[in-house]
Amino acid sequence: DTGVSQNPRHKITKRGQNVTFRCDPISEHNRLYWYRQTLGQGPEFLTYFQNEAQLEKSRLLSDRFSAERPKGSFSTLEIQRTEQGDSAMYLCASSPRGFRSGNTIYFGEGSWLTVV
Amino acid sequence: ELKVEQNPLFLSMQEGKNYTIYCNYSTTSDRLYWYRQDPGKSLESLFVLLSNGAVKQEGRLMASLDTKARLSTLHITAAVHDLSATYFCAVANSGGGADGLTFGKGTHLIIQP
Repeated sequence: DTGVSQNPRHKITKRGQNVTFRCDPISEHNRLYWYRQTLGQGPEFLTYFQNEAQLEKSRLLSDRFSAERPKGSFSTLEIQRTEQGDSAMYLCASSPRGFRSGNTIYFGEGSWLTVV
Repeated sequence: ELKVEQNPLFLSMQEGKNYTIYCNYSTTSDRLYWYRQDPGKSLESLFVLLSNGAVKQEGRLMASLDTKARLSTLHITAAVHDLSATYFCAVANSGGGADGLTFGKGTHLIIQP
């Protein structure tokens, strides 16, 4: 088990382009989370899935953002018509059940997005 | 809306000294996490605190939780350079089926020889 895997690790894109990030959670973890982190700040919650169902979305997740987890395994986060304010590190995390059970949430290495 | 405040935000200390990082949160929650982040890296889980009065220790780090005061502390004993990192506390959003964590801004810790 190699942990939560994210790719690409770094992406530079021009404003207005679409980008997609992929996350492969730890196997058999049914909960998957996306967070965004900007420099000098703590991570901000974006959305989470339980299996293939997207159960919660933050206000931060504008209409330009969409996340999927079609088979309850890997997930993708797409940002359409990127803006400079989207520049951040996008973190994926997974847990075997909800953290209400006291389980640790494991984070991936993150995908750095720079919009120029 | 749940708010999480950490202090201090920046801390420079010498090896061998003791210090405490504080994490206050604004609404009821019974799940609190501490994470460590090295520059350019992801978050490493340190502690999960589940109940009032919980105390956990790992090496030179000890974390505690007081749910009545809505306060958690991360105590560093006899600091060493390898503990230099940014430390985050994160509090579980409770109620309404919410399952995300709200993070503090982090405490940037530098330990000098």
